[in-house]
Amino acid sequence: NAGVTQTPKFQVLKTGQSMTLQCAQDMNHNSMYWYRQDPGMGLRLIYYSASEGTTDKGEVPNGYNVSRLNKREFSLRLESAAPSQTSVYFCASSDAGQGAPDTQYFGPGTRLTVL
Amino acid sequence: RKEVEQDPGPFNVPEGATVAFNCTYSNSASQSFFWYRQDCRKEPKLLMSVYSSGNEDGRFTAQLNRASQYISLLIRDSKLSDSATYLCVVKGDSSYKLIFGSGTRLLVRP
Repeated sequence: NAGVTQTPKFQVLKTGQSMTLQCAQDMNHNSMYWYRQDPGMGLRLIYYSASEGTTDKGEVPNGYNVSRLNKREFSLRLESAAPSQTSVYFCASSDAGQGAPDTQYFGPGTRLTVL
Repeated sequence: RKEVEQDPGPFNVPEGATVAFNCTYSNSASQSFFWYRQDCRKEPKLLMSVYSSGNEDGRFTAQLNRASQYISLLIRDSKLSDSATYLCVVKGDSSYKLIFGSGTRLLVRP
């Protein structure tokens, strides 16, 4: 099992460009999450999907959109990138809410720089 | 005030030392608590859950003090490989949301 995979690993964008970060998990988890991690700020939740077909805003959703394409895949889109979105983005999955432990499993991250 | 607060460190200790980190949380209704470990430029990984009665996993001991709203992590006999950032994590008011502290950095020197 690959666990949680993310593409791309690195990306440099110019202000105003758009891009989609891809995430997939092969653990048959119901819940998936997108976080960003900035120095001194810890991980902050952008959006999450409790189950296939549902998405909800997290702590810092502005400037982002998400799509839960199917149970395996959860993508994050930046429509018009801004320098403030320079960060490391992590995708995670879990079986939260299904009577299973709350453990979240993270992908390796995408390092995004917006110039 | 942040919902989960940690001393950023770094804690610089020699191999074999015992080191302890604390973390405070603001929501008294929080039910689940965890310690995650994050190596430099890597993803966070679950180290251990924290139970009300305290729990131990090898050299690692986690404690919860609900009255004072803090969680602790004790590492005994530190190894070089313990060098990492330790993230205190609290389950928020939703079954799906975890709230992460900004982490405490540990450096274990030879």
